[in-house]
Amino acid sequence: DAKTTQPTSMDCAEGRAANLPCNHSTISGNEYVYWYRQIHSQGPQYIIHGLKNNETNEMASLIITEDRKSSTLILPHATLRDTAVYYCIVKVVDGGATNKLIFGTGTLLAVQP
Amino acid sequence: GAVVSQHPSWVICKSGTSVKIECRSLDFQATTMFWYRQFPKQSLMLMATSNEGSKATYEQGVEKDKFLINHASLTLSTLTVTSAHPEDSSFYICSASALPQPQHFGDGTRLSIL
Repeated sequence: DAKTTQPTSMDCAEGRAANLPCNHSTISGNEYVYWYRQIHSQGPQYIIHGLKNNETNEMASLIITEDRKSSTLILPHATLRDTAVYYCIVKVVDGGATNKLIFGTGTLLAVQP
Repeated sequence: GAVVSQHPSWVICKSGTSVKIECRSLDFQATTMFWYRQFPKQSLMLMATSNEGSKATYEQGVEKDKFLINHASLTLSTLTVTSAHPEDSSFYICSASALPQPQHFGDGTRLSIL
């Protein structure tokens, strides 16, 4: 699986949009971009994923550049409960061993009151 | 949404004992389950991939005789830490997958070996 690069940490004011970038310049054509987050002392929580089109759900929006070499996760109105480590992961979707998720170091998002 | 339950959430035991951790997918059948370990201030490290009815595939450096994995049904996988020692103290997390849906994670088990 391709590697990703994320900033180590970011701050965001409560109520503002949080924009978390991720670089995946070596992504393959069949690899999806997944975002998970981990709140302290809990298991990771699935947020969103996409292949090449922008995606939106009740939690967030995912913007993928046209060349697919980078993406941005957007939390439209950050709250204190969104403080967590956010992981960007790229992987294929199939039934083989490549289904595993390999976590990098992620971005620690601190939402400030 | 998909729910993965992990039990126990916290366990303390003496050095030399074995500890079993259960991972259940509550509302879906998981063809594959994964086990991760996380040390303080570090990211999740994949330990093994478990497919129902077959032997688990362990990542490099993970001792299969130390960390026994059983995946007897499509809703249950267990991880047994055998003859646990203080260095095995960690946060153990499972996830379950039913393609094409994304993986969903349990809330983890904090294991402390005295």
